Amino acid sequence: DTGVSQNPRHKITKRGQNVTFRCDPISEHNRLYWYRQTLGQGPEFLTYFQNEAQLEKSRLLSDRFSAERPKGSFSTLEIQRTEQGDSAMYLCASSLAKEGAEPGEQYFGPGTRLTVT
Amino acid sequence: QKEVEQNSGPLSVPEGAIASLNCTYSDRGSQSFFWYRQYSGKSPELIMFIYSNGDKEDGRFTAQLNKASQYVSLLIRDSQPSDSATYLCAVNGRGNKLVFGAGTILRVKS
Repeated sequence: DTGVSQNPRHKITKRGQNVTFRCDPISEHNRLYWYRQTLGQGPEFLTYFQNEAQLEKSRLLSDRFSAERPKGSFSTLEIQRTEQGDSAMYLCASSLAKEGAEPGEQYFGPGTRLTVT
Repeated sequence: QKEVEQNSGPLSVPEGAIASLNCTYSDRGSQSFFWYRQYSGKSPELIMFIYSNGDKEDGRFTAQLNKASQYVSLLIRDSQPSDSATYLCAVNGRGNKLVFGAGTILRVKS
């Protein structure tokens, strides 16, 4: 069991540029979650997938954010036209849960720290 | 009212003491409760989960759940300096996501 991995670990970009992050979940996990965390706050839910289906997206999530999990394995999170307010740690988590059941125990990856200058 | 509330701390305890961390939540429909430990600059690490009222023990950690009062607590026995971290309480929210509190900073003094 190799755990959740995320790439890149750090990303510095200029305002207005697009960025893409990748998450590889624990291999047998069917659910994959994206969260965002800023200093002094707990992680904030962005979106989640059950296999390849995106089942929920936060209403706080701007249209500039999009996520995919095309084959039910790894996932990508893209931010278009980045803004300074997007600077945060982007966390991916995965869990093994039955459809419709509770979220299950979620295990986090190391995160991608985004800095928008 | 925030969905999940924690005292931000810092909570300072001497080495060897019991650290008690508390969390309250607003959604009476919540069924799953989690404690994560987060070291500075690192991602959250799951240390305990509890689904039923009562106590659940795992090594030096005990999670306590009282659904009637809508609170969850985490006890850390024989606290060590390596336990110094931010402890995040998380509760399953509407849908299948987790809602996190802002965390309690724990400092264990040697």
